[in-house]
Amino acid sequence: AQSVSQHNHHVILSEAASLELGCNYSYGGTVNLFWYVQYPGQHLQLLLKYFSGDPLVKGIKGFEAEFIKSKFSFNLRKPSVQWSDTAEYFCAVNAGNNRKLIWGLGTSLAVNP
Amino acid sequence: EAEVAQSPRYKITEKSQAVAFWCDPISGHATLYWYRQILGQGPELLVQFQDESVVDDSQLPKDRFSAERLKGVDSTLKIQPAELGDSAMYLCASSLGGPGEQFFGPGTRLTVL
Repeated sequence: AQSVSQHNHHVILSEAASLELGCNYSYGGTVNLFWYVQYPGQHLQLLLKYFSGDPLVKGIKGFEAEFIKSKFSFNLRKPSVQWSDTAEYFCAVNAGNNRKLIWGLGTSLAVNP
Repeated sequence: EAEVAQSPRYKITEKSQAVAFWCDPISGHATLYWYRQILGQGPELLVQFQDESVVDDSQLPKDRFSAERLKGVDSTLKIQPAELGDSAMYLCASSLGGPGEQFFGPGTRLTVL
């Protein structure tokens, strides 16, 4: 069965620190990859997505993610986090003909000012 | 900016009672999703509609849960009877279709006492 694994469940950083959140999926074929974010008290919203082309994709608020097919990974990065990045981050994968999004468990990020 | 609307935002009920949640997707979005999200986990798809037809309800507990989208626009999710384990956030999302971005509503927080 398809699955998505997010390596870090809780991350605590200080402002200006660099961020990398890991995401791995299990599927050998074509995939569409997403990172969603949920800020405190707000609804889930798309941070960035990869369908095809350049494996380095840029999203909103300075976030980027790199698709590495050989590693089945789609890690999220930001060079310098801000307090306002405190949120829950979810990786999701849509694989093959299955239109269902498979979600990771999420990573809770707390950025200390 | 168009948004997915959900009501109520919060619902407290006693076990064995019936509850219903309503969702109005973004206008023109043919695909509508109902998810359940337990604290500390990613969303779990309960049911997916394409227009008025159910395309995936494999994870919907059909003995107590039902969902409809009669005119292919808004949708209702019902639980009868509610159980303690149903306490969760119920999310509605919509999309144009295919593997693209899903747009989420604010959710309904259900507490079953």
